[in-house]
Amino acid sequence: AQTVTQSQPEMSVQEAETVTLSCTYDTSESNYYLFWYKQPPSRQMILVIRQEAYKQQNATENRFSVNFQKAAKSFSLKISDSQLGDTAMYFCAFMNGNSGNTPLVFGKGTRLSVIA
Amino acid sequence: EPEVTQTPSHQVTQMGQEVILRCVPISNHLYFYWYRQILGQKVEFLVSFYNNEISEKSEIFDDQFSVERPDGSNFTLKIRSTKLEDSAMYFCASRLALGHEQYFGPGTRLTVT
Repeated sequence: AQTVTQSQPEMSVQEAETVTLSCTYDTSESNYYLFWYKQPPSRQMILVIRQEAYKQQNATENRFSVNFQKAAKSFSLKISDSQLGDTAMYFCAFMNGNSGNTPLVFGKGTRLSVIA
Repeated sequence: EPEVTQTPSHQVTQMGQEVILRCVPISNHLYFYWYRQILGQKVEFLVSFYNNEISEKSEIFDDQFSVERPDGSNFTLKIRSTKLEDSAMYFCASRLALGHEQYFGPGTRLTVT
């Protein structure tokens, strides 16, 4: 079974600074997808970024980028120029690409606070 | 932009009562999911659904739970006899195809008293 580990329960960052959230995962699959979801206080789950395991290039979405290290099974999220609106829980998630209708497997989350 | 919707946003029920949580997935999506999140904990998978049948279910999804797609748009989760420990946020999600990301609804907060 796949597992996702987020070792930082809480982090804080000054506005406009850069922060990196860690995520490691364990799988024997070769084809899979990784995601970061943001959950603000409203508790809505919002997709931030996705990465296909077969792609070597790290995904980027505006101020959000990932550092995908396949051999190390690591998938960290970097937030540049942090804004107050980035304050939220961030969940790393894994999805098996080989099976059919597979669910997401989530980590426990990292609570990020952006400080003015 | 199309989105997943869920109703109600908050449901309060007494222990032992039946509840039905409703979801309208994005219209051309084919794969549907229910997840739950107990307050302060991680999001846990309950069940996946495709082609009018359950694809996969977790250990949480016992005989008290059922899902249905009664028409072309709604996707429902029924809990037959609620327990205190069923209190959680329930999220519906859908996706277009394999390999695509899942889009989540805003969630239904279920409180069992």
